[in-house]
Amino acid sequence: AQSVTQLGSHVSVSEGALVLLRCNYSSSVPPYLFWYVQYPNQGLQLLLKYTSAATLVKGINGFEAEFKKSETSFHLTKPSAHMSDAAEYFCAVSEGGATNKLIFGTGTLLAVQP
Amino acid sequence: GAGVSQSPSNKVTEKGKDVELRCDPISGHTALYWYRQSLGQGLEFLIYFQGNSAPDKSGLPSDRFSAERTGGSVSTLTIQRTQQEDSAVYLCASSPTGWGTYEQYFGPGTRLTVT
Repeated sequence: AQSVTQLGSHVSVSEGALVLLRCNYSSSVPPYLFWYVQYPNQGLQLLLKYTSAATLVKGINGFEAEFKKSETSFHLTKPSAHMSDAAEYFCAVSEGGATNKLIFGTGTLLAVQP
Repeated sequence: GAGVSQSPSNKVTEKGKDVELRCDPISGHTALYWYRQSLGQGLEFLIYFQGNSAPDKSGLPSDRFSAERTGGSVSTLTIQRTQQEDSAVYLCASSPTGWGTYEQYFGPGTRLTVT
C-alpha cells in the first residue's frame, strides 16, 4: 500500500531563510508525487507535481522539489521564505492509472517569523 | 474560469440528522473526488467518480455515507444519521480525467459540525 510520511508537523523559519519541508513516500510502483498548499479556510492549491519526467520540479511561488528514488524522498524547498508562505503544506502520492486518488501525508504547518 | 465550488461552506447539524453536501466541479472535468479532512485522521479519500459512475468507493467509512453524480457534473455527498465523529471538512476535487498525471483541483470545502 502506498503511504506518505511528512517529518515535522510544525516548521518555523525566519523571513528570508531557506524553507525545507520533508516528504518520504512508499510505493510499489513508480509514483506520481504532489505538493499542495492550504491557506486558512481554503481548499488545497497545487504547488508542483512529479510525473516521472525531470527529477527536479519547479512549482509556483518559487518552490521546487527533487525526486530521489534512492531515498524515496520528495522534499520541498524554497531558497528564501516570505511571510505569505505561512500555510499548511501537504505531500501526496498517487499511483496514477484509472483512479489517480491521492494519499496524503499528515501535513506540515509552516510559520514564517519576521 | 470558475473553479470547483462547494455548498454550503458551513453546516451545523444535530446528531442523528441527515445532511447533503454539494460539489460543482470545473466544467468538462470527468473525474470527481471527495476527501475528508479531520483533526484525527488528516486528509482521507472517500470516493471517486468517472462520469456518473463510482468505480472506487473504498474510502467511504460506513454505509451511512453515500454519493451520487448526475449529468457528469454536480455531485452530492449524503451522510445519514450523522454522528459527532463525522465532524470534518469535506473537500471535493475535480480533474480533466482520472487517468495518469492530471492534477486535481480542489474546492474550498464544507465544514460540517455535528452537535
